[in-house]
Amino acid sequence: SQTIHQWPATLVQPVGSPLSLECTVEGTSNPNLYWYRQAAGRGLQLLFYSVGIGQISSEVPQNLSASRPQDRQFILSSKKLLLSDSGFYLCAWSGGRAQPQHFGDGTRLSIL
Amino acid sequence: ILNVEQSPQSLHVQEGDSTNFTCSFPSSNFYALHWYRWETAKSPEALFVMTLNGDEKKKGRISATLNTKEGYSYLYIKGSQPEDSATYLCAFNSNTGNQFYFGTGTSLTVIP
Repeated sequence: SQTIHQWPATLVQPVGSPLSLECTVEGTSNPNLYWYRQAAGRGLQLLFYSVGIGQISSEVPQNLSASRPQDRQFILSSKKLLLSDSGFYLCAWSGGRAQPQHFGDGTRLSIL
Repeated sequence: ILNVEQSPQSLHVQEGDSTNFTCSFPSSNFYALHWYRWETAKSPEALFVMTLNGDEKKKGRISATLNTKEGYSYLYIKGSQPEDSATYLCAFNSNTGNQFYFGTGTSLTVIP
């Protein structure tokens, strides 16, 4: 069966520090991979998605970047965090548009 | 970025009541509409995926309908139970890409 792992679960970082959140998927090949953020009191905002190794699409201009170095690995990064980067980050995979998304457990990021 | 709206934003019902929520999405370039349940401290869980106008899906006491021509979907819960308390999210796929566009959700609280 397929599983998705996302870590860390919580993270407290100072403003200006770098960020790396990692997500890996097991039990499937060539998944579509997604990073979402839920800011306080708001819905899920799509940040990045990837349909293959090295293929990254960005939905909104921001301080973050994503990379997919391997088929089942998706990384969310920042060189210098801003206060506005605080939020709950979710990684997800899907087999296609009409296939349901499967989510990781999320990372709660607090910027001080 | 496409606009997906859900209403109401929050809802409190008594145990045993039936309830329904609305998801509005663009009627053009439709590909699929998803419903998810997001319980506190858990990851969103897929409920339904619908692709055809007039689709109706059912899982236990929960059902959903789809109208792609007018751009809306309804989620119904019959005989609400406290364990139904969660945020219900809908997500829209267009036929122009692999993105999932989520609504802001409806927060349901079922009072025992």
